[in-house]
Order: sequence, then structure tokens, then C-alpha cells
Amino acid sequence: RKEVEQDPGPFNVPEGATVAFNCTYSNSASQSFFWYRQDCRKEPKLLMSVYSSGNEDGRFTAQLNRASQYISLLIRDSKLSDSATYLCVPQAAGNKLTFGGGTRVLVKP
Amino acid sequence: GAGVSQTPSNKVTEKGKYVELRCDPISGHTALYWYRQSLGQGPEFLIYFQGTGAADDSGLPNDRFFAVRPEGSVSTLKIQRTERGDSAVYLCASSLSGNLNTGELFFGEGSRLTVL
Repeated sequence: RKEVEQDPGPFNVPEGATVAFNCTYSNSASQSFFWYRQDCRKEPKLLMSVYSSGNEDGRFTAQLNRASQYISLLIRDSKLSDSATYLCVPQAAGNKLTFGGGTRVLVKP
Repeated sequence: GAGVSQTPSNKVTEKGKYVELRCDPISGHTALYWYRQSLGQGPEFLIYFQGTGAADDSGLPNDRFFAVRPEGSVSTLKIQRTERGDSAVYLCASSLSGNLNTGELFFGEGSRLTVL
């Protein structure tokens, strides 16, 4: 089983709609979780961090389910500019961040 | 500049050649990472430096790959006897310290390597 698994998508989302997708992780020792956003042919950038059960930042909500070992990201009122690949990054001990393969989201007018 | 700088941005080489990729991290960042990203995949960890020393090189695929950071700032990723399978975008990232509780790595724009 891969350390981090994500549905590659793409998730085709009408502008203004809500989209949610999950990331499963295999290391039960993971304590911190991060979502990075990567635009096409650009570098990844941190979107949000999750240390407890979840986090909310504007239209973005991350929820952590430790029992089932997955973390989700929900985007409300999708904008065209939300089109990107979203990378899930769980962190266990140490300073090595293992990235998932990413979920591609395409927001369409 | 204020961000992570990587050179060259693009490198085309022939199979069997030697390649060096350079990373200049954000000033004051003690931790430096190298990742490799192939098309449609997430970044794959290669090596992590804390200061001048390689704290974790478990991601280097084989002994053709080597990285240095002699003065604790600029780092060079060296690839010997390149193979077509080495073609990818090589991403460098830095963070303020080795404590990644904030999880924030600052990435450069990457060096796109193409091995013909």
C-alpha cells in the first residue's frame, strides 16, 4: 500500500459548486497534515495545515479522520482560480514530507 | 530575490552525461530539500539537509545521485551517467528550520531535466 493515496481526478466542478476529495495515509503515527496546491507547471505552495480534527480557512475546509486514516479537503463556492492539483502531505516523525500524487480539480464556468 | 532560486530552469542532456542542478534557498533557511516530480505524479522525496549535513538521503534512487551543501546555503544535486528515466522536474525547497510543525516548505520553480 502506498504511503499516501489520492484520487488523481480530474474533478470537473461547475463554478460556484462544492467539491470534496479524500486522501488516505498508511502511517498511523502521522501527526500533522498539510494540503499543498500546485498550479500547472508551477511549484507547490502550502494551502493549509491540519493538526487536530480539522481546519477551516475561508472557502476551504480540511477534516481529519484518524480512525480511518484519511483527510479530506472541501472547497465551497468554487472559483475558476481554484483549478489546480491539490497535494496531500501527512507528516510522521522526522522532517521528511511525503507527498501524495495529487488530485486535479478543474472548475468550469 | 526573496524566494528559492534554481538553475538551470531547463536542461537537455544526452544519456550517459553528467548533470549538476543548483539550488539557492531563502536566506536564513537552515533546512533544504530536494524532490523529483514526474508528469502526473506528486513530488518524490530525494534528500534533506539540515545545515551542511545530509540528515536524510533515503530517497536518492541509486548511487548515480549525489547532493552537497558545503557551506549550509547553496546546494547542488549531481547526477552521473544520466538515464532517460531521470527525466523529471527537480524541485528544491527550503524551510526556516528543521522543525516542520508548520509544514511549510518554500519551493523553487524547479529544474526541468530532459535526458535524450
